[in-house]
Amino acid sequence: DAGITQSPRHKVTETGTPVTLRCHQTENHRYMYWYRQDPGHGLRLIHYSYGVKDTDKGEVSDGYSVSRSKTEDFLLTLESATSSQTSVYFCAISEGPGQGINEQFFGPGTRLTVL
Amino acid sequence: GNSVTQMEGPVTLSEEAFLTINCTYTATGYPSLFWYVQYPGEGLQLLLKATKADDKGSNKGFEATYRKETTSFHLEKGSVQVSDSAVYFCALSDPVSGGSNYKLTFGKGTLLTVNP
Repeated sequence: DAGITQSPRHKVTETGTPVTLRCHQTENHRYMYWYRQDPGHGLRLIHYSYGVKDTDKGEVSDGYSVSRSKTEDFLLTLESATSSQTSVYFCAISEGPGQGINEQFFGPGTRLTVL
Repeated sequence: GNSVTQMEGPVTLSEEAFLTINCTYTATGYPSLFWYVQYPGEGLQLLLKATKADDKGSNKGFEATYRKETTSFHLEKGSVQVSDSAVYFCALSDPVSGGSNYKLTFGKGTLLTVNP
């Protein structure tokens, strides 16, 4: 299994509070991704990173920011959490296009509940 | 843009039954195709993949063939087990539309339940 951990694994917070989720990898992969999983929507990309300090938006980036100061860590921040951000969040990593295909490996997920 | 459409579930089968989960796609370039599986309470695991037309991906008794002419990548297994109960996701990676980033586009997932 790819070395990907996410923390925390579960979190309950209140509307309006800031929340930061962490993804840590030990594979030295260049690309890292944050997805959210909601019933009826499958997985949707929030943000991704293609290198240290290089990030870009996905399809559902509003209300989220990310940072990547080290290869191994990719942080997802909800500046002011809302109930619509209640979801399961998955981090994924990949070696990137140099390998020809973008095979992604997923972390165990973080279940976030915003009350 | 890219899209993946897979059959809606849930799908309920008896043990040893034949499984097909349909997946069709729309892409601007020549995508790679994937099936991921998610067991309860876990993250997604890559089940199989195919990178060009007519390739067949296979793993753990599951198979899928990349059909460019029908833009399909249907998942099949000849004899399912209770342990195959999970959510299955079809996905594509299109280097053309993804630029240098090779993002994955997922279908909405199909819940499979296998009863003993």
